[in-house]
Amino acid sequence: NAGVTQTPKFRILKIGQSMTLQCAQDMNHNYMYWYRQDPGMGLKLIYYSVGAGITDKGEVPNGYNVSRSTTEDFPLRLELAAPSQTSVYFCASSYRVSRQPQHFGDGTRLSIL
Amino acid sequence: AQTVTQSQPEMSVQEAETVTLSCTYDTSESDYYLFWYKQPPSRQMILVIRQEAYKQQNATENRFSVNFQKAAKSFSLKISDSQLGDAAMYFCAYRSGGAGSYQLTFGKGTKLSVIP
Repeated sequence: NAGVTQTPKFRILKIGQSMTLQCAQDMNHNYMYWYRQDPGMGLKLIYYSVGAGITDKGEVPNGYNVSRSTTEDFPLRLELAAPSQTSVYFCASSYRVSRQPQHFGDGTRLSIL
Repeated sequence: AQTVTQSQPEMSVQEAETVTLSCTYDTSESDYYLFWYKQPPSRQMILVIRQEAYKQQNATENRFSVNFQKAAKSFSLKISDSQLGDAAMYFCAYRSGGAGSYQLTFGKGTKLSVIP
């Protein structure tokens, strides 16, 4: 049972480059989320999706885009990478109801130089 | 907007002893859920325990228990018989129970060290 799988685990980008962080879950969860974790801080929500074809902004969406074409996959796109986007990125998923916990991937450490 | 505050950036405990991590939150809602997540050096976020606000009984999971004080908006985590594997960052998180509520709001975390 893989749970939530994120790729890559590490990546270094140059300023202005673009890339896509991949996230896949095999638990048939409706909801999926992208968070970022800056040093010494808790996680902040970037984008979320409540089902295929439906996405919405979280607390810190600027500089990112998402899509959700299938229930399983929820990629996060960085356009024109900036040093402020250096962070650890976590993907998570959950069932529909609020009381169900979110299950997290192992994170992607991204450095923009 | 909801906020979550963890006032202890770092804590330490002797192996086999008990430690309590503090968390307070600010909300005007009556229906919500609270969580403690553990983040070891491997970086993985692991759910430790969950509490529904409508339940008066404090949640317990093996050596982990919470002291949920709804009126005081306090949600502390007690770890009994601490083990070396408990060393990690611990995050308190809040989630609204309302329809259309999806976001987890996290505190800044408490780094727990376990001394052999």
